[in-house]
Amino acid sequence: QAVVTQEPSLTVSPGGTVTLTCGSSTGAVTSGHYPYWFQQKPGQAPRTLIYDTSNKHSWTPARFSGSLLGGEAALTLSGAQPEDEADYYCMLSYSGRSWVFGGGTKLTVL
Amino acid sequence: EVQLVESGGGLIQPGGSLRLSCAASGFTVSRNDVSWVRQAPGKGLEWVSVIDSGAKTKYADSVKGRFTISRDNSKNMVYLQMNSLRAEDTAVYYCARWNDYVRYWGQGSLVTVSS
Repeated sequence: QAVVTQEPSLTVSPGGTVTLTCGSSTGAVTSGHYPYWFQQKPGQAPRTLIYDTSNKHSWTPARFSGSLLGGEAALTLSGAQPEDEADYYCMLSYSGRSWVFGGGTKLTVL
Repeated sequence: EVQLVESGGGLIQPGGSLRLSCAASGFTVSRNDVSWVRQAPGKGLEWVSVIDSGAKTKYADSVKGRFTISRDNSKNMVYLQMNSLRAEDTAVYYCARWNDYVRYWGQGSLVTVSS
C-alpha cells in the first residue's frame, strides 16, 4: 500500500501564509490521485475543505486553496486566522478504488 | 438534511466481533457510495472500506479478510462487521458519504479492543 507523506507540524503567524504539502511514495502526485484536504479540530469529525486538487465546498473559506506543486499536492492558507489552527489531512486515490490518508499536519497559528 | 449517525461501538476483547451501524437520512444509501474511516486515539485518519452504489466493496489492506461492509437498503443503513479484532483496531469509526466529494461525515463511534 502506498504511503502518503505530510509535514508533521507547521506554524504560521496570524495573517501569514503557509503551504502544506502531500507526497506519495509511488511517485509524483497528479490530478489522477484526486487529492483531497480535510480539516479536523479537537473532538470534531473531519471536514472536507478541498476536493479534486483545487475545488472548494461552499463552506471552504476563500483563504484556502489547493494545487499541485513540484510533484506534490499542496494546500495554501493565505491570511491565517486563529480559527485555522487544526489538524489537516490530505488523501489520495489509488487506482480509483482505494484511498490513503497522509499522517496529518498540525497547524499552529501563533 | 443529510445526516449520518454511527452506533454500535464499545469495549470488546481481542479476537472478538462487533458490528457498527451507520444510519443515513436525507439521502438513499443504495444510490450513493459510503465509506468507513477510522482514527486511533491521538493518531491520524485511516480509510477502512467503501461500498458503492452498485454494492461493490473495497477494503484497506489492514482490515481485508476481517471486516465486511454491507448495507440494508430497506433500512437505509450501512454496516461494518468487524471480526478477529485486535488492539490496533481501537479507534473512532466514522462513516461518510463518499461520492459527492465527501461532503458529509458522521460524528463517529468509539471501538475499544482491550482485555
